[in-house]
Amino acid sequence: GQQVMQIPQYQHVQEGEDFTTYCNSSTTLSNIQWYKQRPGGHPVFLIQLVKSGEVKKQKRLTFQFGEAQKNSSLHITATQTTDVGTYFCAPADRGSTLGRLYFGRGTQLTVWP
Amino acid sequence: NAGVTQTPKFRVLKTGQSMTLLCAQDMNHEYMYWYRQDPGMGLRLIHYSVGEGTTAKGEVPDGYNVSRLKKQNFLLGLESAAPSQTSVYFCASSYSRGRSTEAFFGQGTRLTVV
Repeated sequence: GQQVMQIPQYQHVQEGEDFTTYCNSSTTLSNIQWYKQRPGGHPVFLIQLVKSGEVKKQKRLTFQFGEAQKNSSLHITATQTTDVGTYFCAPADRGSTLGRLYFGRGTQLTVWP
Repeated sequence: NAGVTQTPKFRVLKTGQSMTLLCAQDMNHEYMYWYRQDPGMGLRLIHYSVGEGTTAKGEVPDGYNVSRLKKQNFLLGLESAAPSQTSVYFCASSYSRGRSTEAFFGQGTRLTVV
């Protein structure tokens, strides 16, 4: 599989604090997707980044794709209890076989009131 | 529009038994995937398919077989279940190109092998 590391594995924050998770690859990526999985639920697509240096925002969530296209981050501003869940990145290696969709191990976010 | 449907939702097997998990999608997606999810291990790709009649191995294919005889269905088989296959299994599907290639997931199958 792809060499991708997602950090941190766990993050506990108080409501209102910010949160960031990182996805780092050893190879250049053609694109990267981010998913969220609520406890007991299934992964749900959040966004796809395809351009070097791309930054996209969804309300309190900011997604970045590194200039070298080897890393990406998801930043949540002023977390809420509804942000609880596990966030996964799904990078697509430029040389990867068509159709394979791999995921990082995820960052589990806990938010306490 | 049901999206991705997995059957069954729960199952308990005895070691050595066989079973088939069914995944059905009604979005006309070309790509389909099977993952297993274990605590701390994220989503690991078992097998995937890029079209009807084609399948390929993912990261952890041993002990599993798959078939995609119809575009809308992707079956995952366990020939001789082992306790190490206790896990939550997710099926997903996506378009191959053009539109966003986001994957849509089923609700999951919780399998326990005793």
